[in-house]
Parts: sequence; C-alpha cells; structure tokens
Amino acid sequence: EAGVTQFPSHSVIEKGQTVTLRCDPISGHDNLYWYRRVMGKEIKFLLHFVKESKQDESGMPNNRFLAERTGGTYSTLKVQPAELEDSGVYFCASSRGLGTEAFFGQGTRLTVV
Amino acid sequence: GDSVTQMEGPVTLSEEAFLTINCTYTATGYPSLFWYVQYPGEGLQLLLKATKADDKGSNKGFEATYRKETTSFHLEKGSVQVSDSAVYFCALSGRSARQLTFGSGTQLTVLP
Repeated sequence: EAGVTQFPSHSVIEKGQTVTLRCDPISGHDNLYWYRRVMGKEIKFLLHFVKESKQDESGMPNNRFLAERTGGTYSTLKVQPAELEDSGVYFCASSRGLGTEAFFGQGTRLTVV
Repeated sequence: GDSVTQMEGPVTLSEEAFLTINCTYTATGYPSLFWYVQYPGEGLQLLLKATKADDKGSNKGFEATYRKETTSFHLEKGSVQVSDSAVYFCALSGRSARQLTFGSGTQLTVLP
C-alpha cells in the first residue's frame, strides 16, 4: 500500500511568488491534515479535511494560504504571495477515521528568499 | 489550549548509552499521547502511543509511560544504537481527536 505522498520535496521561491504544494493521501483515508514546522520549532496544525470538506482551518496563518481537496482525493496548499516567514517544512497526514492513526508524508521543504 | 513541552536538544550520546527525552503536556480531559520519529530523509512515523493513564507504549526498545499525576510522557531506551539517530516529537491528541499538538522536537545523534 502506498503511503502519503507529497511533492515537491523541496521548493525555493522568491518573495511574492506563488507556490502550490500537493499531497496524495493513502487511498481510502477520508481525513487529511496539513501541518507546518517553522525554523526548527514545533509542528503546528494548519487544517483538516474530511473528504472534500474543511472541518477545521483554525491553524491557517492568514488568507495568503488556500487549501483545497477536490473530490476528496488529493489536496493542494497554495501560498500566494509567499513571504519570508512562510519558509518551513509542510507535512501532510491522512487517517481512515477520527482517532485512528495518522500517517505522515515526507514533507515539503519550502524556502522563500 | 493544549500544549506539549519537550526537552530541547540536540542530544548526543554514545552507542549503548541510556536515553531519556522528557515530555510534559497541558490538556483538558484525558488526551492520547504519542511519540513520533523522523529519520533523515523520511517522513514522520508513529513510534509509540498511550491512550490512558498508566498505559505504557513500547516499540523498537523505546518505552514511555502515561503519567497523569505529573502530566508527563517521557521517552526512554536502555541502549541506543547509531540507527536511532533522528528527530523525536512528543504529541497529544485531545478529546476531539481531530488534530495532533506537537512539541518542538529533539534531535538525537548517536555516535559509534
């Protein structure tokens, strides 16, 4: 069974540009989460999808971040326009149901210069 | 809100040394507690978990006991190996079980 897949693995963009991160969850997992680790600090929750619906986006930093999950399959996280403080590692995770084990992807390392 | 405080690193040990990484938490009710590990170049992996007070999670020689009275979930291993070198994250899942709250991570390096 394929795990959670994220791409790109690394992205370096200039301030003001747009970047789109993609996450393919494990097949059959209705729950999809985005997290971010900035500057070696704690990993922070961004948002949670159940199928195609956003259940909780309380962790989204501001309106420069837009997450979608078309058809309840893969998800994208777009940052537009990117700022320096957006640099960090963005993790995606999926789980079959609430309270079940969440499986994480390798993360996307985003560097804004 | 919920929070996790984790022993700051980096931690450097010699092979076969004893490891302790401290973790304490603040949460309402009775959260589930986890340790995740990130090996170089890989994603986060669940190492062990405990879902109620006095439970002991264990895996790959690592152990952690859910201590409600001290709100702690310290990670221990009796004899570390070079292959244990990784970043370790303590985390909790609150009553809603919708998301994980993580600590800041501890980088462990084990030298041969």
